[in-house]
Amino acid sequence: EPEVTQTPSHQVTQMGQEVILRCVPISNHLYFYWYRQILGQKVEFLVSFYNNEISEKSEIFDDQFSVERPDGSNFTLKIRSTKLEDSAMYFCASGQGTWSTDTQYFGPGTRLTVL
Amino acid sequence: QKEVEQDPGPLSVPEGAIVSLNCTYSNSAFQYFMWYRQYSRKGPELLMYTYSSGNKEDGRFTAQVDKSSKYISLFIRDSQPSDSATYLCATYTGGFKTIFGAGTRLFVKA
Repeated sequence: EPEVTQTPSHQVTQMGQEVILRCVPISNHLYFYWYRQILGQKVEFLVSFYNNEISEKSEIFDDQFSVERPDGSNFTLKIRSTKLEDSAMYFCASGQGTWSTDTQYFGPGTRLTVL
Repeated sequence: QKEVEQDPGPLSVPEGAIVSLNCTYSNSAFQYFMWYRQYSRKGPELLMYTYSSGNKEDGRFTAQVDKSSKYISLFIRDSQPSDSATYLCATYTGGFKTIFGAGTRLFVKA
């Protein structure tokens, strides 16, 4: 069964450094998402991406964050200057159609630790 | 007031028990309601979704929405140890932003 994959599984970085989290969505999916989950807290929506542009973003997704689909298969989340509070699990998800009728498939996540 | 509230548990039940998981929400504009299951070190997996009020059944799982009281429930019949996971309720108004509850940790003891 096709699945969403994410790399790396764990990323450790120093505060102020840039990180890029990578995701390979399911190949025929058109909608892509990033979520984060701070330890012990709820899963939070960050951003959705469709047709090579951001379709919606949350208040968390500020200028420090950016997303890109550089080559038609990968979907990346970049954090320009990491802060301690960016430490969290980051989940990528993809979906085939409009959310109301289609499932979002989640990847296993990347654990980001900012020191 | 939080948009979606969910008791984090943990909830521990014996194998074969009926499990009831619940959430409340604050915004009457929410139309779609979902239940996700999340195993340790994995991403959330969609179990069921419902639109507006009513019940929806899928095997041992039943999702129920009561919009008048802003209450959503997931019932698991004949619970199994493999059902042990965190269950997340979620909702959205349309568009792409999904709002999750905090998740309830369920343990089903053999």
